[in-house]
Amino acid sequence: GEDVEQSLFLSVREGDSSVINCTYTDSSSTYLYWYKQEPGAGLQLLTYIFSNMDMKQDQRLTVLLNKKDKHLSLRIADTQTGDSAIYFCAENLGGYQKVTFGIGTKLQVIP
Amino acid sequence: DAMVIQNPRYQVTQFGKPVTLSCSQTLNHNVMYWYQQKSSQAPKLLFHYYDKDFNNEADTPDNFQSRRPNTSFCFLDIRSPGLGDAAMYLCATSRALSGRGTDTQYFGPGTRLTVL
Repeated sequence: GEDVEQSLFLSVREGDSSVINCTYTDSSSTYLYWYKQEPGAGLQLLTYIFSNMDMKQDQRLTVLLNKKDKHLSLRIADTQTGDSAIYFCAENLGGYQKVTFGIGTKLQVIP
Repeated sequence: DAMVIQNPRYQVTQFGKPVTLSCSQTLNHNVMYWYQQKSSQAPKLLFHYYDKDFNNEADTPDNFQSRRPNTSFCFLDIRSPGLGDAAMYLCATSRALSGRGTDTQYFGPGTRLTVL
């Protein structure tokens, strides 16, 4: 079955690194995504990774994928107050309607 | 250079009074989606259009309907809103990839619906 799990809350100090974790259950996922949602706004695509990759880096963002454990993480280096938001992990099984979202991790950045 | 536009951003309606939410896109994507997101929950897919083909999720209530008059526009109609329909409604688009599903979904800013 399809299920994406995330912890609900993470608090870090400004300038530290944040690591947001996600687990998924369907090993046939082809794409895995991280979306950011600021209060009252839509979902902004941050980054994504293909299932045949282990790691992807994009400026301050590093995505790590462990297919064996079905674990995905998002690391934000030098976290800023503007990074405070809810971060959603999502998986795409390859079908055009099957994007499953996690419940979202609320990141709080303390100045 | 907005890509997925939703209007209005905030909508207030009365219990039982029909309401229509609008989504438009400049990406020329052939797939458009409507999601419902309640507070502190993940977005929940209501339905999507693949070109003109409408695909309803099994658990989407009949109260929710959709129209897609052309590639750029898609509407969400709530025929008789109840208090439980108060939520953020998100529109998304993606490009279909030949033989392997769809590309990444791009979201609009959402419409916050309040039902009085």
